[in-house]
Amino acid sequence: DAKTTQPNSMESNEEEPVHLPCNHSTISGTDYIHWYRQLPSQGPEYVIHGLTSNVNNRMASLAIAEDRKSSTLILHRATLRDAAVYYCILRDPNNAGNMLTFGGGTRLMVKP
Amino acid sequence: EAGVAQSPRYKIIEKRQSVAFWCNPISGHATLYWYQQILGQGPKLLIQFQNNGVVDDSQLPKDRFSAERLKGVDSTLKIQPAKLEDSAVYLCASSFRTSGVIYFGPGTRLTVL
Repeated sequence: DAKTTQPNSMESNEEEPVHLPCNHSTISGTDYIHWYRQLPSQGPEYVIHGLTSNVNNRMASLAIAEDRKSSTLILHRATLRDAAVYYCILRDPNNAGNMLTFGGGTRLMVKP
Repeated sequence: EAGVAQSPRYKIIEKRQSVAFWCNPISGHATLYWYQQILGQGPKLLIQFQNNGVVDDSQLPKDRFSAERLKGVDSTLKIQPAKLEDSAVYLCASSFRTSGVIYFGPGTRLTVL
């Protein structure tokens, strides 16, 4: 499985934008980049995913580098409820196993 | 739409005892996953089902862990006998298809004493 690398933790001020980076230098051409987040005492929840183009949804934006070896999850205005562990994962839809392997993620702390 | 249901939410057992966890995926989701999440780590996939067939169980400790998905809907994960290192949160998840968004349940927190 292609691996991802994320900073262990990041800090942000409330109502400011947050840029969470992810490196995936061994990504294959068919891997989608997925982001999930896990709030305290809850299971992970889907945030956003993309293949090549930047993506936006109501929760966040995903900026994908042109060579696809890195991506950035953007929270436009962090709130206290965004404090969570954010996981960047590669997922190959052509792989029947499609394990969705999680690394350690980035723990985002939001200061009021 | 109802989410992934899991029970129990918490379980405390002594080592060498047995325990079982139950999961009911989102209706219509063919793919079901069981993950183990040890405190401070990301979730680790134990087993993946497609309908009632196993797609991947390479990380399941088969000497003590077993899982089944009867009729391609509900699933149970069993540990027998439990060890101290099995203390973790066990997450069930499902997706409509193998490449789709994965929806997680709230998890079962297991403590082995």
